[in-house]
Amino acid sequence: AQSVTQLDSQVPVFEEAPVELRCNYSSSVSVYLFWYVQYPNQGLQLLLKYLSGSTLVKGINGFEAEFNKSQTSFHLRKPSVHISDTAEYFCAVSNNAGGTSYGKLTFGQGTILTVHP
Amino acid sequence: GAGVSQSPRYKVTKRGQDVTLRCDPISSHATLYWYQQALGQGPEFLTYFNYEAQPDKSGLPSDRFSAERPEGSISTLTIQRTEQRDSAMYRCASSPIRQATGAQYFGPGTRLLVL
Repeated sequence: AQSVTQLDSQVPVFEEAPVELRCNYSSSVSVYLFWYVQYPNQGLQLLLKYLSGSTLVKGINGFEAEFNKSQTSFHLRKPSVHISDTAEYFCAVSNNAGGTSYGKLTFGQGTILTVHP
Repeated sequence: GAGVSQSPRYKVTKRGQDVTLRCDPISSHATLYWYQQALGQGPEFLTYFNYEAQPDKSGLPSDRFSAERPEGSISTLTIQRTEQRDSAMYRCASSPIRQATGAQYFGPGTRLLVL
């Protein structure tokens, strides 16, 4: 079984400031890691993913995330945010161990990022 | 189609009524997922289809919930004898194949309110 914990339910930040959205996970099997973003009145869309290799992954809109296996974390960062980054962000893990659960996503509770001018 | 579509976008119903939600995935996608998202929570897996087969129903909360995908394209999620605790956003997603490495493409969701 897997679980995902997003440590902050809401993160307010000023425009052009850096931001970090925290995510920790636990799993008894191997997983892949994802961040999804949901803009108002839209479906979730993939921001970035970690499958293997370099622990620093870059995604769309200037976001990046770092996989830390020892701390079981996958925090999302952006060095300078824009008003348009205001959205809800979800961390998720995907079961890659096979069986009927293969590919199933387990999501965290979400973090609402609000960027103020 | 260009993306995943869901209908209706909003549904208000009275306790005890049946509701059916519809998902139209991206046309080339073999795999379709249903998720339930309560207010303030992340989406939770309900069930998925590979074409018309439904290998995993483990997330369906009770036998009042059922899903179909008879021709391997459009899917419906039916909730019988709705209860107030069924109020949530219901999300559908599709992917080209059943995979753990790629993105799932989500529709805008159906927000269900049971009075």
